Amino acid sequence: EADIYQTPRYLVIGTGKKITLECSQTMGHDKMYWYQQDPGMELHLIHYSYGVNSTEKGDLSSESTVSRIRTEHFPLTLESARPSHTSQYLCASSERSKGGIEAFFGQGTRLTVV
Amino acid sequence: KNQVEQSPQSLIILEGKNCTLQCNYTVSPFSNLRWYKQDTGRGPVSLTIMTFSENTKSNGRYTATLDADTKQSSLHITASQLSDSASYICVVSERGSYIPTFGRGTSLIVHP
Repeated sequence: EADIYQTPRYLVIGTGKKITLECSQTMGHDKMYWYQQDPGMELHLIHYSYGVNSTEKGDLSSESTVSRIRTEHFPLTLESARPSHTSQYLCASSERSKGGIEAFFGQGTRLTVV
Repeated sequence: KNQVEQSPQSLIILEGKNCTLQCNYTVSPFSNLRWYKQDTGRGPVSLTIMTFSENTKSNGRYTATLDADTKQSSLHITASQLSDSASYICVVSERGSYIPTFGRGTSLIVHP
């Protein structure tokens, strides 16, 4: 079991609310990622970080923002949630192991915006 | 653009049967290929990793193969169990990049 944690697991909120999805890892990994995944669909990279004070946007356009003030913490914030943000959000961290990059995923946060 | 294509999109088999999932990729230069298992509502978990020089790797009832020349990989599941019901995702990494390319996954359902 990977040491990467996401909270909350499930969240139902109203349109226009500000929310922050939490992600923490205790493995000391520099690289962290946020993915968005709709049911039955592939993972889309929305944000990533190579280390403290480093954040980049991924392939999928997202209205969310991230911060990386500490190595272990990579929260994702939606300033004003909309129904189109309803999805599963997966956080991951990676290390360079023998043979290449291995990503460890959290359990995910399933977000529903009503 | 790097792409990873998986087939079939979904598969239903009876418990105890074997099955094979396919992955074709265009990622270049190639670094490694991983197969992940994702249970419903959970995050993906790594099953196997294949590097350029490896052709076959096993992890219990899971056996992955890689043909780097044709850019194809397969995941063979032997004597399937109900707990094998999940989505199996092929993920390919480009050399020098920390951003892997994900396939859409194959949804496997094992019926008793």
